[in-house]
Amino acid sequence: GAGVSQSPRYKVAKRGQDVALRCDPISGHVSLFWYQQALGQGPEFLTYFQNEAQLDKSGLPSDRFFAERPEGSVSTLKIQRTQQEDSAVYLCASSPGPNYEQYFGPGTRLTVT
Amino acid sequence: KQEVTQIPAALSVPEGENLVLNCSFTDSAIYNLQWFRQDPGKGLTSLLLIQSSQREQTSGRLNASLDKSSGRSTLYIAASQPGDSATYLCAVKVGSYIPTFGRGTSLIVHP
Repeated sequence: GAGVSQSPRYKVAKRGQDVALRCDPISGHVSLFWYQQALGQGPEFLTYFQNEAQLDKSGLPSDRFFAERPEGSVSTLKIQRTQQEDSAVYLCASSPGPNYEQYFGPGTRLTVT
Repeated sequence: KQEVTQIPAALSVPEGENLVLNCSFTDSAIYNLQWFRQDPGKGLTSLLLIQSSQREQTSGRLNASLDKSSGRSTLYIAASQPGDSATYLCAVKVGSYIPTFGRGTSLIVHP
């Protein structure tokens, strides 16, 4: 079956704009994770969903970041009033459960100018 | 807080060499450790997953070992090929679903 997909693959935003990043997990995967990966760094955890419930958002860097997964499948990560420090690759991963192997999407590269 | 360090940060080798990539972590009470490969502009591809009760895992030319007591894991790549060129990341889970990643080792295998 299809893997994890993310859209858009690339996004350029002017500082202050709002952006929305989409993740389509593998069908049937209960768990969904968002990560932020800065250039030359490993991915950093942002938030975790189990079905539609957001169980952990401890990694969200500020209240400008918001994530949702209303029907327990597709998830959207929204960043309001983007800043230059938000420039990074945003990775989504899904898994059959929280401690199973995670399958990653290709990421969305966000550049804030 | 778990810290994960990967050495070397970058490696360039001729085709055919056997390679060892290192990953060290500070909290030895891990749940599992996973090695990933990341190609430029792509997401992460899982290579090997080692549970805390295991000492090693093998897949093809790849072998990963785990020594919890010393806080180390090594990824061994036999007979390297140009197609192995990528960034290799290790990720450690300590009793939860949130992995801590190292910064990765950038590998170039030239023909």
